[in-house]
Parts: sequence; structure tokens; C-alpha cells
Amino acid sequence: DSGVTQTPKHLITATGQRVTLRCSPRSGDLSVYWYQQSLDQGLQFLIQYYNGEERAKGNILERFSAQQFPDLHSELNLSSLELGDSALYFCASSPQPRDEAFFGQGTRLTVV
Amino acid sequence: QQQVKQSPQSLIVQKGGISIINCAYENTAFDYFPWYQQFPGKGPALLIAIRPDVSEKKEGRFTISFNKSAKQFSLHIMDSQPGDSATYFCAASGPSGNTGKLIFGQGTTLQVKP
Repeated sequence: DSGVTQTPKHLITATGQRVTLRCSPRSGDLSVYWYQQSLDQGLQFLIQYYNGEERAKGNILERFSAQQFPDLHSELNLSSLELGDSALYFCASSPQPRDEAFFGQGTRLTVV
Repeated sequence: QQQVKQSPQSLIVQKGGISIINCAYENTAFDYFPWYQQFPGKGPALLIAIRPDVSEKKEGRFTISFNKSAKQFSLHIMDSQPGDSATYFCAASGPSGNTGKLIFGQGTTLQVKP
């Protein structure tokens, strides 16, 4: 158990809908990362927050957004969902940027 | 320049054998190279990591070899066991922006046969 908690584990939703994925980082970790894992694209960095502020952005679609709250948990919001958004979404956390990052168990999103 | 290329895509090794997975990178600013192990239905788990001030790091049966001039690094799994059967990802990150974001290789599916 990495100490990073993601909910829900599985999510099935229809195209056009909006979902929210939640991540609780390890205790004391200030940095939170979101990654998308799909069969054809592998693990892709989406976005990073550090102590409530956006620190880095990767290949994140405009339909996706994220935030980190004062208690350091983070949420990834995915809207206007398309079939191609079906993937595993992982959250990782580290004490500081560039420290070792530990991943949660992921949320499997299926868009039908 | 941000890519990390990993090979082979899949690997079958007999129990007790040595598993070798290779990665190559282009960005010379990368200075942190972790390997992650992922079992089906689980998140990637940090296995071992190296920084370029050393050429080799060993932890138990797992060794990272790092060749800075060739911009390559590899994972060696000695005495491979069926329980090592998993997908392995190399990754890299650099100091730019002080983010720690990881660039991952495409992954290698390892099967260790009993």
C-alpha cells in the first residue's frame, strides 16, 4: 500500500458526461501528480499541483481540469467525456517536487 | 527530446534467469531515472531509482546500470522469479521547472516461466 488513496476505483459513464476523480496523497506529501494510462499512449503526465498551486501541465485536454484543496487532496474533473477518454487515471504524490513519487491504485474510467 | 524509449516490449525469461530491460533518453538535462513495477489492476510501484552521479545501483536482485555518455540505462533482474512477472516502466525527469514530472517509457511486460 503506497499510502495514496484514489476514489472511485471504477467508474462507468456515458459520453458527454462529467466525472470527478479524487486523490488523497500520502500524509505530509505536498506535491500531487495526475497521470493517464491508456493502452496506446502508455503513462502520460497530465498535471501537477504543489501545496495548492498548479506547478506543471502536461498533455491535459482543455475538457479536463484539476485542483488541490487546502487539506492537500486533489480532484481531477473530466467533462464532455468521449470514448477515447476511457483509461486508467493515476494520482501520485511526493513530499516535494523531484522527490520519489508514489502512485495510488488508480481509477478505471470507462466511457460508453 | 522529451521521449524515453524502452525495449523490449515483452520479455519471457526462465525462472532463475536474468531479465534485462533497456531505456534510452534524449534530453541530457534528465537527472533522475526511476523504474516502476506494475501488476495488473494495481498502480505503478517504485522499484529502484538512480541519479547520474553513479553508474550502477543495486537493491537486492534489482540493479540499474546507467551510461551517461550513451544516454541509456537498464534494469537487470537477477535470479528472476515467477512473482516478478509484471509490467516494468522506466522513467526520467529533470530539473526544469522544479516539477518532478516523470516521462515514462512504453513499458515491458515480463513473464517469468517456472
